Amino acid sequence: DSGVTQTPKHLITATGQRVTLRCSPRSGDLSVYWYQQSLDQGLQFLIQYYNGEERAKGNILERFSAQQFPDLHSELNLSSLELGDSALYFCASSAQGRSPLNEQFFGPGTRLTVL
Amino acid sequence: DQQVKQNSPSLSVQEGRISILNCDYTNSMFDYFLWYKKYPAEGPTFLISISSIKDKNEDGRFTVFLNKSAKHLSLHIVPSQPGDSAVYFCAATLTGNQFYFGTGTSLTVIP
Repeated sequence: DSGVTQTPKHLITATGQRVTLRCSPRSGDLSVYWYQQSLDQGLQFLIQYYNGEERAKGNILERFSAQQFPDLHSELNLSSLELGDSALYFCASSAQGRSPLNEQFFGPGTRLTVL
Repeated sequence: DQQVKQNSPSLSVQEGRISILNCDYTNSMFDYFLWYKKYPAEGPTFLISISSIKDKNEDGRFTVFLNKSAKHLSLHIVPSQPGDSAVYFCAATLTGNQFYFGTGTSLTVIP
């Protein structure tokens, strides 16, 4: 158990809908990262937050947004969902902003299926 | 554009033998490389890392080699054990914030 929790575990929804994925980092970790893993694809970095502020942005679509709250949990919002958004979404946390100095701990992921 | 590539989707090795997983990257500015291991229905877990100023890092049965001129890194597992069967991802970062992952190599260690 990495100490990172993600809810829900599974989510099935229809095209055009909006969903929110939630992540609670390990106790004390200030950084949260979001990744998308589509079928047969590697982990695609989406976005990183550090202590409530956006720190780095990767291949995140404009239809997607995220935020980190004062209690350090984070939410990833996906809107106008398309079939291609079906994927595993992972959240990871680390103690500080520069993760190589502090390894990332991954949650179990949320599997999103868009029908 | 895939900046980190793992060209072997799968690898099978006999228990006790060496497993060698390979990874290539395109950005010579990457300054840190990591390997993660992933079991089904779980998130990836950190395995070992290496800074770009080194060419080798060892941790028990796991050794990572970095060849900067070839933009290539490899993970050696010696001896391989059935519990090592998992998907292995290599990752690279430039600033410690944005990470680039490969597509993974599924390792099967045959008892």
